[in-house]
Amino acid sequence: GESVGLHLPTLSVQEGDNSIINCAYSNSASDYFIWYKQESGKGPQFIIDIRSNMDKRQGQRVTVLLNKTVKHLSLQIAATQPGDSAVYFCAETYHSGTYKYIFGTGTRLKVLA
Amino acid sequence: DGGITQSPKYLFRKEGQNVTLSCEQNLNHDAMYWYRQDPGQGLRLIYYSQIVNDFQKGDIAEGYSVSREKKESFPLTVTSAQKNPTAFYLCASSIQGSNYEQYFGPGTRLTVT
Repeated sequence: GESVGLHLPTLSVQEGDNSIINCAYSNSASDYFIWYKQESGKGPQFIIDIRSNMDKRQGQRVTVLLNKTVKHLSLQIAATQPGDSAVYFCAETYHSGTYKYIFGTGTRLKVLA
Repeated sequence: DGGITQSPKYLFRKEGQNVTLSCEQNLNHDAMYWYRQDPGQGLRLIYYSQIVNDFQKGDIAEGYSVSREKKESFPLTVTSAQKNPTAFYLCASSIQGSNYEQYFGPGTRLTVT
């Protein structure tokens, strides 16, 4: 838990600024995508999801964009707050007999006061 | 208060000993999963179960065993055959048969010396 964030790319943003975290997914057959937030020593927490028939979905302060042409997913966090500091990773799923989930390695977000 | 519980949060064992990690959910989910998380890597699937009394190996099942005698419970045993057992272990559950989000437990940090 505490060492999960080692060796991850880090994004540092000023408090109040917007954050954009990117994820390249691997399988063109993937049809469902999720963003998770993981704080040190804790389990991943669902933030927002999107299905492949959409290219944008908005939640509270968060927006996910999906570009299927280049297999790219992004998470935008508006007005970033200190409580947003965590590791963020994406997950993709596709059906292969059962639903298989593939998880990205993650990006550490640091919010500077 | 629905969710997934894992116990204990921290676990220490001597090399050569088997150890069992607990995972319980009250979300009425059919599918349950065990993942291992190591620094700088995405979650890797150890075992999953889609229904009671049935489970399947994931990508890194060697040295692990599971049981699914009840819908709510999916314990993971880390055996002495697992060559590198020190890791953060995460249990998750999801609605059976659909590509929906996985809900994660808080994790167990296992240290084997």
